[in-house]
Amino acid sequence: GENVEQHPSTLSVQEGDSAVIKCTYSDSASNYFPWYKQELGKGPQLIIDIRSNVGEKKDQRIAVTLNKTAKHFSLHITETQPEDSAVYFCAASPSPGGTSYGKLTFGQGTILTVHP
Amino acid sequence: KAGVTQTPRYLIKTRGQQVTLSCSPISGHRSVSWYQQTPGQGLQFLFEYFSETQRNKGNFPGRFSGRQFSNSRSEMNVSTLELGDSALYLCASSVGTGQIYEQYFGPGTRLTVT
Repeated sequence: GENVEQHPSTLSVQEGDSAVIKCTYSDSASNYFPWYKQELGKGPQLIIDIRSNVGEKKDQRIAVTLNKTAKHFSLHITETQPEDSAVYFCAASPSPGGTSYGKLTFGQGTILTVHP
Repeated sequence: KAGVTQTPRYLIKTRGQQVTLSCSPISGHRSVSWYQQTPGQGLQFLFEYFSETQRNKGNFPGRFSGRQFSNSRSEMNVSTLELGDSALYLCASSVGTGQIYEQYFGPGTRLTVT
């Protein structure tokens, strides 16, 4: 089955700096890669996603890049703010169907701390 | 549009008891997936329901079961609770058809087994 590795496990930056979180996956059939932000006491919130036919996607201060050949994808947050502090999870999934319906395989998470 | 709701938010049970958790998906979403989140194992997929049918199941023992109703609301049940079942149980709602993948999570139910 799919295995997703996420690094680093913790990341500390100063306000205004950039933050980068990287994930690798094992299943070449995976073609959907979402990123979630989880704040204390809340469920994961979908912040951005990318599909395998796209190499990069941006949404304001957040961007995601995908390298299908190397099987890795990354989250980039620019101009970080204290409210960006949270746990970030990457995930991967093949096309829905068969044993893939509804199943996201998650990385272990990155605790991001943005210091004012 | 209202988000995914889960009830109850917190639950304390004793070993050997059973528990039922409830999830109401986003209006119009027909797929509900359940995940277990623990500090040691992270987020792990339990099962997915669509139109009252289980379409997929993760690697959890048979003590974990679920169902979905005609209004897409879903419940999961854990029987004969063990200490290791203490976790945050999350449900995620999705359209569930075609190539639309996005899953939206509820706030979770925090289950503590003593």
